[in-house]
Amino acid sequence: QVQLQESGPGLVKPSQTLSLTCTVAGGSISGDSYYWSWIRQPAGKGLEWIGRIYTSGSTNYNPSLKTRVTISLDTSKNQFSLRLSSVTAADTAVYYCARIQIAAAEIFDYWGQGTLVTVSS
Amino acid sequence: DIQMTQSPSSLSASVGDRVTITCRASQSISTFLNWYQQKPGKAPKLLMYAASSLQSGVPSRFSGSGSGTDFILTIGSLQPEDFATYYCQQSYSTPLTFGPGTKVDIK
Repeated sequence: QVQLQESGPGLVKPSQTLSLTCTVAGGSISGDSYYWSWIRQPAGKGLEWIGRIYTSGSTNYNPSLKTRVTISLDTSKNQFSLRLSSVTAADTAVYYCARIQIAAAEIFDYWGQGTLVTVSS
Repeated sequence: DIQMTQSPSSLSASVGDRVTITCRASQSISTFLNWYQQKPGKAPKLLMYAASSLQSGVPSRFSGSGSGTDFILTIGSLQPEDFATYYCQQSYSTPLTFGPGTKVDIK
């Protein structure tokens, strides 16, 4: 059973960089059938896809965040990470990491429990 | 970007009711459409993929249909554990996008 767990600061000051890590257990992050992804959800609102990374290190980002986002892999630790720069209050949200299974369709089949990040001084 | 819309945005139903939720894409996405269920304080859970395929472990009262731009999620007989918010999501192209959600609550 694959499990994902987000970790990182719950409070970030405006203009600073939000950094989160997702640790994957029960499966290798190096498998070639998956992307690894970040999604966020402001309180009471819907889901916004942030971006994804493939085992090769290639990335795709949401154009709405592309200039501020970096997703990276650390295969030695079976982790992947999110960095979001120049944050504002609008970046306050629950951040989820998830696995995307690449099959006939790309599906978010495993999710972390989510971590709340608040942007405030 | 492909925009996803859902209707209704919320609905009230009783246990045993048949419930249908509609999702529409701003352009054709073939059958690259997935459905998720989210309960308060929890991560979304995959229900259906490729428009009509049931994810392993999901009860058979859930079904999906559609192709192109119009899709439907049906709950055949609503159970107490089905009260939640439902999201559709397209995987046809990046950026991957979700619908705004449909909240199903108790009548």
